[in-house]
Amino acid sequence: SAVISQKPSRDICQRGTSLTIQCQVDSQVTMMFWYRQQPGQSLTLIATANQGSEATYESGFVIDKFPISRPNLTFSTLTVSNMSPEDSSIYLCSVGVAGGPNEQFFGPGTRLTVL
Amino acid sequence: QKEVEQNSGPLSVPEGAIASLNCTYSDRGSQSFFWYRQYSGKSPELIMFIYSNGDKEDGRFTAQLNKASQYVSLLIRDSQPSDSATYLCAVNSGAGSYQLTFGKGTKLSVIP
Repeated sequence: SAVISQKPSRDICQRGTSLTIQCQVDSQVTMMFWYRQQPGQSLTLIATANQGSEATYESGFVIDKFPISRPNLTFSTLTVSNMSPEDSSIYLCSVGVAGGPNEQFFGPGTRLTVL
Repeated sequence: QKEVEQNSGPLSVPEGAIASLNCTYSDRGSQSFFWYRQYSGKSPELIMFIYSNGDKEDGRFTAQLNKASQYVSLLIRDSQPSDSATYLCAVNSGAGSYQLTFGKGTKLSVIP
């Protein structure tokens, strides 16, 4: 499986500011995804990060709030914009590896607290 | 709306016993099924996947799939305290999609 890193691992931010989370993979991967996991909850898919084109967002998530970039096959960023306390969550990137049963592997996550 | 249902638990089993974790899904066309383990404060870790009806064994873990009943389960034999975690069931709809739908997870506690 691919080795996935995320930066920052955690952050405490003020309401109204923005935070960009980076996801780096040690090999080229076909698919990259961004998830949110709110306290005590399961994973909710925010969007699929598409290389060279706009991300595909799930219902309830919009580009203005969660802009995503994917400039190449090993890197993606997720920005959480104009943050409010409701955005406090763990944000996870995952990668899909071609040739298998479509499994995903997760990065270590970014724990975000908004005051 | 694709749904994946799990009993949230907590499920408590004594050390050495068999832990049985269950999951049902709503999309009859689902193709692949995954079990992730998530320790508190950590990210999910893939422990097993299955896509054919029947049983699949890997060490102390056995995944069972019954597509007719839209049911998938995970058995953990000889449970250890280190197995204490939340277990997430995830379902892939197939057709070339990598997207997963996750259940809310079952919290397992193995009592020494």
